[in-house]
Formats: sequence, C-alpha cells, structure tokens
Amino acid sequence: SQTIHQWPATLVQPVGSPLSLECTVEGTSNPNLYWYRQAAGRGLQLLFYSVGIGQISSEVPQNLSASRPQDRQFILSSKKLLLSDSGFYLCAWSVVMPTRRYEQYFGPGTRLTVT
Amino acid sequence: DAKTTQPTSMDCAEGRAANLPCNHSTISGNEYVYWYRQIHSQGPQYIIHGLKNNETNEMASLIITEDRKSSTLILPHATLRDTAVYYCIVRVIGDYKLSFGAGTTVTVRA
Repeated sequence: SQTIHQWPATLVQPVGSPLSLECTVEGTSNPNLYWYRQAAGRGLQLLFYSVGIGQISSEVPQNLSASRPQDRQFILSSKKLLLSDSGFYLCAWSVVMPTRRYEQYFGPGTRLTVT
Repeated sequence: DAKTTQPTSMDCAEGRAANLPCNHSTISGNEYVYWYRQIHSQGPQYIIHGLKNNETNEMASLIITEDRKSSTLILPHATLRDTAVYYCIVRVIGDYKLSFGAGTTVTVRA
C-alpha cells in the first residue's frame, strides 16, 4: 500500500530563517506531487505541483520554492521566512488512472509557526 | 471564483444519516464532482467522486441530480469520528489540480 511521509510535524522558526520541508511517498512510482498551504481558519491553497523529477509548476507567486530531486521526494524551501508563511503545509500525491482519475492522498502535514 | 456552494455548518446525530448538500450550478459536462473531508489538524481525505451517475463506496454515497447542478453526499450512519470539514469540489476531467473552498463543518453529536 502507498504511504506518504512529511517531516517535521511541527516547526517554529524566526523571521528571516531558511526553511526545508520534506515529503516522501512509498509504494508507488512516478506520482504527481503537490504542496498545499492552509492558513489558520482558511481553505487549502495549492502552492506547487510536479508531474516528474525536476518538473515544478508554481501556482502562486510567493516566498517559497519547491524541488523534486527524486521520483518520490518533494521538498518545499524558503531562503528567508516571513510571518505570512505561517500555516499548515500539506504534501499530497496522485497517480493517473486509466480513467484519468486523479484522486489526491494527503500526508499528515507540517504546522509551521514563524515568530 | 467559487464553483461550488455549501452550507457553512451542520449538525448531525450519531447513528443517523448525514446529508451534505452542494450546489454547482455552473458545472460543465467535462467536470467531475469530488468530495474530500478534513478532520481537525489532519490532511484532507478523499471520500468519493462522480460524473453523472450516483456512486457508493465503503465511506459514503454520492447523489447527483439529473441536471448535475447539485449533489448530496450521504454518510449513512454518522459516527463521532465523522466530525470534520467536508469539501465539495468540481474538477475538469484530466485536470489534476484541486480547488478547495470553505467547505461544510459537520459536527456529529452523541
């Protein structure tokens, strides 16, 4: 069965510090990978998605970047965190089914607080 | 530019069926209806999806009206663990992006 891991689970970082969040998927090959952010009391916002190694699409301009160095690894980074980067960060994966279904399966999330 | 409209919140008695409505009056012929839920402090969980026929799986049933302008997610026997925010999403066939709105906060009470 497929499993998605995210770490760390919680993180408190000062403004201006760097960020690296990691997501890995087990039990599947060539998944689509996604990074979402959920600000407090808000809905989920898609930040990045990737359909393959080194292929990253950004949905919104921001202080963050993403990379996919391996097939099942997705990394979210920032060089200098802002207060507005606080939120709940979720990684998700999906595969292309013969019927072109793209159900997404989410990881446990990382709760980031920028102070 | 919301494609779906859902009630903000609803309560349900434990053991009873929970019927969650969703309006998607501008849905086009190549858009599926998807339902996800998010239990507090967890990632969203896929529940079910459909195009025009009613669907049922181990978690829920999805009833789509004939004109496809609205749908209802049915949790047949709600439990306290079904307390969550439920999201109704329409998505174009072949588009792998999901757009989450505010959803419906469902509270199951003992």
